[in-house]
Amino acid sequence: QSALTQPASVSGSPGQSITISCTGTINDVGGYNFVSWYQQHPGKAPKLMIYDVTNRPSGVSSRFSGSKSDNTASLAISGLQAEDEADYYCSSYTRSSTLARVFGGGTKLTVL
Amino acid sequence: EVQLVESGGGLVQPGRSLRLSCAVSGFTFDDYAMHWVRQAPGKGLEWVSGITWNSGDIGYADSVKGRFTISRDNAKNSLYLQMNSLRPEDTALYYCARDSRVTGQGGHVDYWGQGTLVTVSS
Repeated sequence: QSALTQPASVSGSPGQSITISCTGTINDVGGYNFVSWYQQHPGKAPKLMIYDVTNRPSGVSSRFSGSKSDNTASLAISGLQAEDEADYYCSSYTRSSTLARVFGGGTKLTVL
Repeated sequence: EVQLVESGGGLVQPGRSLRLSCAVSGFTFDDYAMHWVRQAPGKGLEWVSGITWNSGDIGYADSVKGRFTISRDNAKNSLYLQMNSLRPEDTALYYCARDSRVTGQGGHVDYWGQGTLVTVSS
């Protein structure tokens, strides 16, 4: 149950676009199209932003998009806004068990 | 509105036990698998345990296997986590979380509670 690998931090200026990567193995990210992304502001619970690699829940801005290639998933945010500054976590379904989930270590997004 | 409200956290000495509860509302509880996810202070998210809608399948992270027990009472719309032999490294904010699927297969966490803090220290 090793954690997925994310960059510790990324930054961008308002209006710019950024991408956060999430690398796993064939046993999780690479083996299933069940990657999700969460946004967490300080002191708050995580919020689902992307599920099943590319899908956005109702109410999530279209500025957020997801993709996957082999064992690496990515979250892209376009038109950066101040309120996007937060921690972002990826998660994947994993072969180890039906119920197990594996999370990335988290990426701190700073809007300059 | 989906709501998940955790309770039962607190300060406990190493080796002692604690039982967390999660009361849910706003959805049909037995239509979903459920999870506990924790976050140590200043750290990332860690999946702890999951349970299917009818308790027919249960899973644990290696770090808690043999010490923690997840359970649910569908009649009471409640999820539980019995934590025994607690260690300092179990100190974390524990989130109750809903899975998007009834069995958890292919699912993801779609709703989270606000968490309950467990501190293990002498």
